[in-house]
Amino acid sequence: GDSVTQMEGPVTLSEEAFLTINCTYTATGYPSLFWYVQYPGEGLQLLLKATKADDKGSNKGFEATYRKETTSFHLEKGSVQVSDSAVYFCALSSYSSASKIIFGSGTRLSIRP
Amino acid sequence: GAVVSQHPSWVICKSGTSVKIECRSLDFQATTMFWYRQFPKQSLMLMATSNEGSKATYEQGVEKDKFLINHASLTLSTLTVTSAHPEDSSFYICSARPAQGVPSTDTQYFGPGTRLTVL
Repeated sequence: GDSVTQMEGPVTLSEEAFLTINCTYTATGYPSLFWYVQYPGEGLQLLLKATKADDKGSNKGFEATYRKETTSFHLEKGSVQVSDSAVYFCALSSYSSASKIIFGSGTRLSIRP
Repeated sequence: GAVVSQHPSWVICKSGTSVKIECRSLDFQATTMFWYRQFPKQSLMLMATSNEGSKATYEQGVEKDKFLINHASLTLSTLTVTSAHPEDSSFYICSARPAQGVPSTDTQYFGPGTRLTVL
């Protein structure tokens, strides 16, 4: 079945550092790919999405490119801030999963001032 | 726009009692709502999918008699944990998918979650 694998955390970085959180997926067909963020004490929020190969999703300085050849959707940000501290979930939705969202295990990110 | 609320945000109950959690889409109609369970430091596990006016579809391993789901209107779904036990303690999250075409069918909006503690 469809699945998402993302790098385990926690990830701790200093403010203004470069961030990469790796995500790879297995799916039949052409899934939509997402990154969700969960700030402390809050619900999930959609951070960005991409619906087809080579699409780049971006929001709040974060970017991720849908790479079909490597089945990846890595999350990047050039300069992180303390306010980016949260748990990040990579996810997919596809026809073969009946449009259910399948989540990765989540990566906890902590940014030091 | 696209706000989903959950009530209560946290609840503590005694073992053996039942607890109802509400999920509401505040500014859109949701033909489909989803219920997830999240254990500490783990990902979300889909429990069931509910469609307005029909029975919920439960994921494998989820007891439908223990986790009763009702989707009585296009803006409200409820999850009732019956005869709760300490192992049911968890963070329960709902999401709502807007009616088809508004905006895209793979979009889900998530509620803030309900923390259940069973003593």
